[in-house]
Amino acid sequence: EIVLTQSPGTLSLSPGERATLSCRASQSVSGNYLAWYQQRPGQAPRLLIYGASSRATGIPDRFSGSGSGTDFTLTISRLEPEDFAVYYCQQYGSSPLTFGGGTKVETK
Amino acid sequence: EVQLVESGGGLVQPGGSLRLSCAASGFTFSNYWMHWVRQAPGKGPEWVSRVYTDGSETNYADSVKGRFTISRDNAKSTVYLQMNSLRAEDTAVYYCVRMAGTPYWGQGTLVTVSS
Repeated sequence: EIVLTQSPGTLSLSPGERATLSCRASQSVSGNYLAWYQQRPGQAPRLLIYGASSRATGIPDRFSGSGSGTDFTLTISRLEPEDFAVYYCQQYGSSPLTFGGGTKVETK
Repeated sequence: EVQLVESGGGLVQPGGSLRLSCAASGFTFSNYWMHWVRQAPGKGPEWVSRVYTDGSETNYADSVKGRFTISRDNAKSTVYLQMNSLRAEDTAVYYCVRMAGTPYWGQGTLVTVSS
């Protein structure tokens, strides 16, 4: 099973700042099948990025994904108030699907 | 438009059973593996089970193996999760998920196991 480690656990930033979230896999993610989700309290996870770098429909271009193999990054270029939430990475290149522990982006 | 709509959640006593359903639309259901993923209160998502396109192969997380059964009816574009011998630690929102191509998630159905 592929273990995903997200860092940092919490990121304290101000609106307008740049956020950089990391997701490291214990072994190479097949096909770079790596997704990023945003989750606000009481809501289902919202797909942001799939295939490591493809933005999902309707996702603003301030969200971008990069990386390959075992190291992946989600970047939010300029934080908007609605971006303060928890972010999860997930690999779906091999079974079982696995998720990272999450990064909480909070207001500084 | 792809839609996944879960149903069947509710309150059940420990040791009880529930069957969840997920009705799919907007894509050729029989072409895709389908998954169930759950999220316990305050925790991250956890993969539960998956079923192959024709139902001939299924896989389970160790935490539910022997208690949960996944199945599908391609004629109805529906995937099911039969949950038996439920425990308090099975309390979670259960999501139906299609991962191939562009991933899609349903809105989830809440299962609460409590006496």
